[in-house]
Amino acid sequence: GAVVSQHPSWVICKSGTSVKIECRSLDFQATTMFWYRQFPKQSLMLMATSNEGSKATYEQGVEKDKFLINHASLTLSTLTVTSAHPEDSSFYICSARDWGLSTDTQYFGPGTRLTVL
Amino acid sequence: QQQVKQSPQSLIVQKGGISIINCAYENTAFDYFPWYQQFPGKGPALLIAIRPDVSEKKEGRFTISFNKSAKQFSLHIMDSQPGDSATYFCAASSYNQGGKLIFGQGTELSVKP
Repeated sequence: GAVVSQHPSWVICKSGTSVKIECRSLDFQATTMFWYRQFPKQSLMLMATSNEGSKATYEQGVEKDKFLINHASLTLSTLTVTSAHPEDSSFYICSARDWGLSTDTQYFGPGTRLTVL
Repeated sequence: QQQVKQSPQSLIVQKGGISIINCAYENTAFDYFPWYQQFPGKGPALLIAIRPDVSEKKEGRFTISFNKSAKQFSLHIMDSQPGDSATYFCAASSYNQGGKLIFGQGTELSVKP
């Protein structure tokens, strides 16, 4: 299957700082990427849909000014958690959509563990 | 209408047994039904997926059964192994609605040796 990478795999930061997480599709071009958040023992919660060259679409209840998403190329989307607070500590996972005439599959990255002190 | 309901929440199976996880959906626009396997601290990995034009798909020990009229689909893991112990998520999406995946609540599978 296709490969999606995330960087960093884990990050610890102080309250009030900003953290950037990168999501890359390594062997296919992804016009659409998705960002999820997952709490322990829970399902994945979709935060936003990232479309290359346009503004991200955020799910209800997700603060777009806090979670900045940029999809500047067909293989890279970034999520920046601005002014992070301890309640932002979570497991963040991205996925990239590989779709065309005969396929429509989402491949997930390995996730980024964010801990805000 | 966007929900996908998954059961059971947890499942314990003996090695060599059959693991069965069920999902139900409401949105008839859904046209893609994948199953993902997730190990602790890792991202979900695509296991197997089905589209509504077939009623069953098998890949190795993993089989999806799909019942369009009942709006239900299930994952069967044959000859379950301890290495299958993980959390399994069903999901559904619609191509025409941007491919956004709606996930079930997850099933924590434990296969005992």
